[in-house]
Amino acid sequence: EVQLVESGGGLVQPGRSLRLSCAASGFTFDDYAMHWVRQAPGKGLEWVSGISWNSGSIGYADSVKGRFTISRDNAKNSLYLQMNSLRAEDTALYYCAKAQSGRLSASDYWGQGTLVTVSS
Amino acid sequence: DIQMTQSPSTLSASVGDRVTITCRASQSISSWLAWYQQKPGKAPKLLIYKASSLESGVPSRFSGSGSGTEFTLTISSLQPDDFATYYCQQYNSYALTFGGGTKVEIK
Repeated sequence: EVQLVESGGGLVQPGRSLRLSCAASGFTFDDYAMHWVRQAPGKGLEWVSGISWNSGSIGYADSVKGRFTISRDNAKNSLYLQMNSLRAEDTALYYCAKAQSGRLSASDYWGQGTLVTVSS
Repeated sequence: DIQMTQSPSTLSASVGDRVTITCRASQSISSWLAWYQQKPGKAPKLLIYKASSLESGVPSRFSGSGSGTEFTLTISSLQPDDFATYYCQQYNSYALTFGGGTKVEIK
């Protein structure tokens, strides 16, 4: 059974940093691309960042480019999102999602999310 | 970035109705489009990928069509479990983008 478990969320002050993690199990992690998607309270889905199976292709939404860094450790079956210079508008539930293939594709499995609140 | 425009933003329908949701891309995305269903407090669920391919386990009353810039999600006969919010997503190129969502409400 595919499982994606996010962690690392919490309350953080504007301008500070946070690192999210996603622990994956139930599939061959290094065969698949992975994504981070967020959802602000009461709002729609926003794709944040994606990474190919071998980290050779990485993309970011304009809203986080230069502040967030996605990475993966295939040996640990883990996905990460380093978030720097956090802003109030980064407040959201952050989902980790598995892609259908090693490259750009739809997301067929999602975690339950970790909540990030940016506030002083 | 490619912009995805969904319509309508809200839709009121009755059980048994045929429902159609439209998604338009700001430039051609070939067939690289997915549809997701999200219920309150839950993670999104993949329904359709590559514009018209039904994800395993998804009821056949859901169907998708289109290519290029115009796409539709159709629910042939709306069931009580289908009242939710639906999102399209393009994955033709980075940055991936979602539509604004369509909330399907009970009439």
